[in-house]
Amino acid sequence: GAVVSQHPSWVICKSGTSVKIECRSLDFQATTMFWYRQFPKQSLMLMATSNEGSKATYEQGVEKDKFLINHASLTLSTLTVTSAHPEDSSFYICSASWRGYGYTFGSGTRLTVV
Amino acid sequence: AQKVTQAQTEISVVEKEDVTLDCVYETRDTTYYLFWYKQPPSGELVFLIRRNSFDEQNEISGRYSWNFQKSTSSFNFTITASQVVDSAVYFCALSERAGTASKLTFGTGTRLQVTL
Repeated sequence: GAVVSQHPSWVICKSGTSVKIECRSLDFQATTMFWYRQFPKQSLMLMATSNEGSKATYEQGVEKDKFLINHASLTLSTLTVTSAHPEDSSFYICSASWRGYGYTFGSGTRLTVV
Repeated sequence: AQKVTQAQTEISVVEKEDVTLDCVYETRDTTYYLFWYKQPPSGELVFLIRRNSFDEQNEISGRYSWNFQKSTSSFNFTITASQVVDSAVYFCALSERAGTASKLTFGTGTRLQVTL
């Protein structure tokens, strides 16, 4: 149990376009979803925390208007990278808390902006 | 604020060697949870273990073992008789409350390379 499905696995987009990444909890209700970004050979850095039905809480230094997070239901959270630029190229991964004591991660999305 | 330090950036061992990955953490809370994750080249995070702050018993799972010492704020991970398939980046992480709205703070990771 506790599977988070993340799509797409990889995406290449042109500079200036927007990209949407979806995370779905398949067999449980994800009240809280965390979004992380990982640059090559670096650690996972939390970007934002989203709670179902409310606005996301962004970490310091993360642009709210650039990284739009929507958590409209207990099974779906989305991250939209707006007006993407090459420096936004990274590995994005979502995580949901599960049964109050664990975390389950999506498989990640590798974004390349050209 | 919580912090996780993995001082070893990269470790290279020959297959069948034992290897220990270090993890030191900082937190003001008395209740917290520690995790280890494996990240193979594919990128997905593989859960290895969770330990709460009240359980200092060491744990062994096959070739993996973990040593939790609150006195030194360490949660070290040992792989016995390493194998090539163990090659990956390993992350230690800390959560002050495992569950809703409690974020995970990751260490910088240790890249393990196991060669024949």
